[in-house]
This record gives sequence, C-alpha cells and structure tokens, in this order.
Amino acid sequence: ETGVTQSPTHLIKTRGQQVTLRCSSQSGHNTVSWYQQALGQGPQFIFQYYREEENGRGNFPPRFSGLQFPNYSSELNVNALELDDSALYLCASSLYPGPLSSYEQYFGPGTRLTVT
Amino acid sequence: DQQVKQNSPSLSVQEGRISILNCDYTNSMFDYFLWYKKYPAEGPTFLISISSIKDKNEDGRFTVFLNKSAKHLSLHIVPSQPGDSAVYFCAAITWQMTTGTASKLTFGTGTRLQVTL
Repeated sequence: ETGVTQSPTHLIKTRGQQVTLRCSSQSGHNTVSWYQQALGQGPQFIFQYYREEENGRGNFPPRFSGLQFPNYSSELNVNALELDDSALYLCASSLYPGPLSSYEQYFGPGTRLTVT
Repeated sequence: DQQVKQNSPSLSVQEGRISILNCDYTNSMFDYFLWYKKYPAEGPTFLISISSIKDKNEDGRFTVFLNKSAKHLSLHIVPSQPGDSAVYFCAAITWQMTTGTASKLTFGTGTRLQVTL
C-alpha cells in the first residue's frame, strides 16, 4: 500500500508570486483534502476534492484553488502569495463512500512554504 | 471561533505512567472524533477514533473516552513510552448527508507530550 506523498518538500517564494503544490493520494483512496498548518497551530482546512470537484471549503480566499485529476492526485495553487501564507501545507486522503472508518484521513509529510 | 480546544499546550509524564490528553469541543453536530500524533517534519498520523454514539474505544495502549454531555474527550496512553513523545491533535468531523462524505477535519491546537525516562 502506497502512502500519501507530497512535492516539493520545501519551497521558498517571494511575495506576489504563485505556487503549485502536489499530492498523490494513498492507493485506493478517492478523496483529497488540503490543510494549512501555521507554526504552533493545528491544521486548518482549506478545501477537499471528491470526484474531481470541490467538496467543501474552509475560510480561505479564492486565490487558494485546487484541482483533482482522474488518478485522484491533486494540486493546490496559491496566487499572489502573502507573507502570512508561510506555513506547512498538508494533504490528506480518504475513501468515500465507505464505513465510518472512512472518515479517517491519512496525511502526507507536507510541503513547507516560506514566503519572503 | 475555536470549535475544538486543547487547553494544555504541553504535558510531561514518566515512562510507564498514564498519559491523559484532554480535548473540549463546542459543536454538538460533530459525528466523529479522531486523535492524531505528529512528529517534527512529518504529517499527522492517525492514532484512534470514536463515533459520537459511543463513549469509549480502545486500541492496545490507547483508549479514547467521549463525554457528550460535557462535550469532552480524552486520550489515555497506558503505559507511556518514550516513543510516544510527540504533538497530539484532537480532531472532529461532521458527516455530510447529501454527499455521504465528511469534508473537513477541525483540529485543536495540539498538546506536546514528553515521556521522560
């Protein structure tokens, strides 16, 4: 069983630039969720993709956008980067529909984004 | 609005003793609760979960208790081991009836557990 993978591991960008982060879901999983974790905080939900469509969104502006591909991998795009976007970006995969245990989301190692 | 709260930022426990990590929530619509463990430079790892219709779930050294009337859950680790030293996050989820999915995890801010020798 292949776990959740994310790329790149680290990234440094300048304010105003755009960034794309990538995620491959765990084998057999069809749903991908993205989270932002600032230093000292718990992960904050950005959005989720299910069947290649956005399935729920957190309190993030439209410059945060995403895609899910037919193989269930996903991208997170952030435009017009701001200093506050510096954080660990986590991707998690899960399987719907399914038993209650499908609520359990499995996380990748994250991408550390630094905006200067 | 912090719907899931972990009021203890850190906890230190001796090896072999019980570790008790606490979590409070405000949203009575949460259907499912999960605990995640996170080591530095890694993503959170799923540890144990509990449905809102249960009050206890046990898996080896880990037991989660849910008190719905108090909107409180706790994670017990017995016996604690040095490898348990990590940040523990409590999370809650709501099932979306229309899609049969559970779109987001709401996390607490985490408790750093240190198990000493």
